[in-house]
Amino acid sequence: KNEVEQSPQNLTAQEGEFITINCSYSVGISALHWLQQHPGGGIVSLFMLSSGKKKHGRLIATINIQEKHSSLHITASHPRDSAVYICAVRTSGSRLTFGEGTQLTVNP
Amino acid sequence: EAGVTQFPSHSVIEKGQTVTLRCDPISGHDNLYWYRRVMGKEIKFLLHFVKESKQDESGMPNNRFLAERTGGTYSTLKVQPAELEDSGVYFCASSHPGMNTEAFFGQGTRLTVV
Repeated sequence: KNEVEQSPQNLTAQEGEFITINCSYSVGISALHWLQQHPGGGIVSLFMLSSGKKKHGRLIATINIQEKHSSLHITASHPRDSAVYICAVRTSGSRLTFGEGTQLTVNP
Repeated sequence: EAGVTQFPSHSVIEKGQTVTLRCDPISGHDNLYWYRRVMGKEIKFLLHFVKESKQDESGMPNNRFLAERTGGTYSTLKVQPAELEDSGVYFCASSHPGMNTEAFFGQGTRLTVV
């Protein structure tokens, strides 16, 4: 079992819908990252969290350290949000351990 | 400021050949990481440099993989000889000194071994 589990693996939404992607982890962490990868593109860091909540534009990330759970929310989704969203945690040292990613498709 | 750059973006080689991947981190970033995603799996850690020193190479799959970072600037990852299972996307990331700093990723190198 992977130390970082994401759900769902695939998500299809209609433009304008509110989207939630979940991430659970089973190890102690110093920080959690949400990353975005567009088809054929590199990885972009969206958020780095160690507690609470962060917001950037239409994206919101929350983390509950006690429950070892984080969520990424997208409000008013748009087709350009279509990408793979990856949860990664920083454990021992400074290396990242990644979830498998969630493939999001937003249809117009 | 230039981001993390990787070269080449794609490489197709035959089994048994040698391939060298290069990563240029963001200037001033002492931390440099190599990661790999093989088909259908999550991205996995390969190794971590702090300047020119290997801090953690526990993720390197076997001795066919050799990473260097001479002078603490760019890094190379050589696969020799390449095997079919080495196919995947190799990502490089860099970050400022310190344990909990944001990582910036390159575009990745897609390696296909045929």
